[in-house]
Order: sequence, then C-alpha cells, then structure tokens
Amino acid sequence: DIQMTQSPSSLSASVGDRVSITCRSGQAIGTYLNWYQQRPGKAPRLLIYGVASLQSGVPSRFSGRGSGTDFTLTISSLQPEDFATYYCQQSYGNPRTFGQGTRVEV
Amino acid sequence: QITLKESGPALVKPTQTLTLTCSFSGFSLTTSGLAVGWIRQPPGKALEWLALIYWDDDRRYSPSLQSRVTIIKDTSENHVVLTMTDMEPDDTATYYCARYLIGAGQFDFWGQGTLVTVSS
Repeated sequence: DIQMTQSPSSLSASVGDRVSITCRSGQAIGTYLNWYQQRPGKAPRLLIYGVASLQSGVPSRFSGRGSGTDFTLTISSLQPEDFATYYCQQSYGNPRTFGQGTRVEV
Repeated sequence: QITLKESGPALVKPTQTLTLTCSFSGFSLTTSGLAVGWIRQPPGKALEWLALIYWDDDRRYSPSLQSRVTIIKDTSENHVVLTMTDMEPDDTATYYCARYLIGAGQFDFWGQGTLVTVSS
C-alpha cells in the first residue's frame, strides 16, 4: 500500500491567515494526488485534483502544488467556512489511499 | 445535476452480510472514463477506500477487504451495489459512494453517506 502522511494533524489559525498542509506519499505517485475538504457531519468535497487543478466551483484561495512524494495544499486567506478537516488521496496504486486528515480549527 | 445517494440498513448484527445500494443520476456508468466507488469512515477516523467499479465492468478492491467485498452495477437502473460479508463491530462506519474519474483518479461527486452500526 502507498501510505499517505499528512502534517500537521491539526492546526489552529485565524480568519485571513495563510495556511499550508503537507502530504507525503510512500513512493512517487506522479500527478495522482487529490485533496478533499470535509466539514463536520458532511461528505467530503473535492477541492484539488491532479496535484494542482482546481475543481469547478472551488474558490481560488485554494491551491495545490508538489511533485514526486511531497505535496502541499494552501489556503491563501482562511475564511470562516474553511474550518474543516482536509484529506489528501492518491490514485497511483491499489488500494487508493487517503491521508489521516488535517483538522483546521480556530 | 449529478447526485448520488446511499441506502441500506442502519444496523446489522455481527457475522451478517451488509448490502448497500448507491443510486445515482446525472451521469451514466456506460460512459468511458467513469467509475463509482465506495469509501467508509469510522466515527472520528479517516477515510478508507473499499472498492471501485468502472464503466467497462472492471473492478478493483482494497486488498485488505477483498475476500469480503463485492461490487456490482446495474447500468439500466443507475445503481451500484456493495456487499460486505462477515460484518463485525470494527466495520461500524459511515459508508459513502462517489463518482470517480480516471483522469487523476479523483472522487468528484459524493453521496451524503449512510451510517452503518454493527452490534448485536
């Protein structure tokens, strides 16, 4: 299995802050890296696919970058609705695997 | 408008078989490049992928669950069904179905999820 490790596991931030979350894969995964947001009690929502492509309808304050085994999700200016848990996910290998999640809280 | 919705029992007993149905609309699972997958999330824990079924009926399973899980599709009815045998308390989770695109292997639309509790 390709292990996906996110850091930090949680972070405290304020509205307007720039926030970055890192995801490291156990082996190179090309561009098969996606990011999701999950608000409490809700289903995950796709934010970024293929490392850096913004899903339709997602605000441009979200961005992704990376290559090889190291990837980053950045929120340029945190908004109240961005307080949630974020997951990375790889589709390079089977099984598809998710990171353990990063909780962004006040 | 693309929607997916999971349905099935909220409570199953240990050793029983779970059957969940994903009913979807707004796309066809005969379209090249599409798949539908199942993902679960135990309370307070991370997401775990279970299975995928592709437009061409190819199937992929999580190796850790492959002996217990089966996924099938009914394209005429726009349903995908997941069965999981020998349920145990550790299988208690919210089960989601989601549409999958082969481009970057992303799950772009998700159902609301259904909580399944395994308890006697």
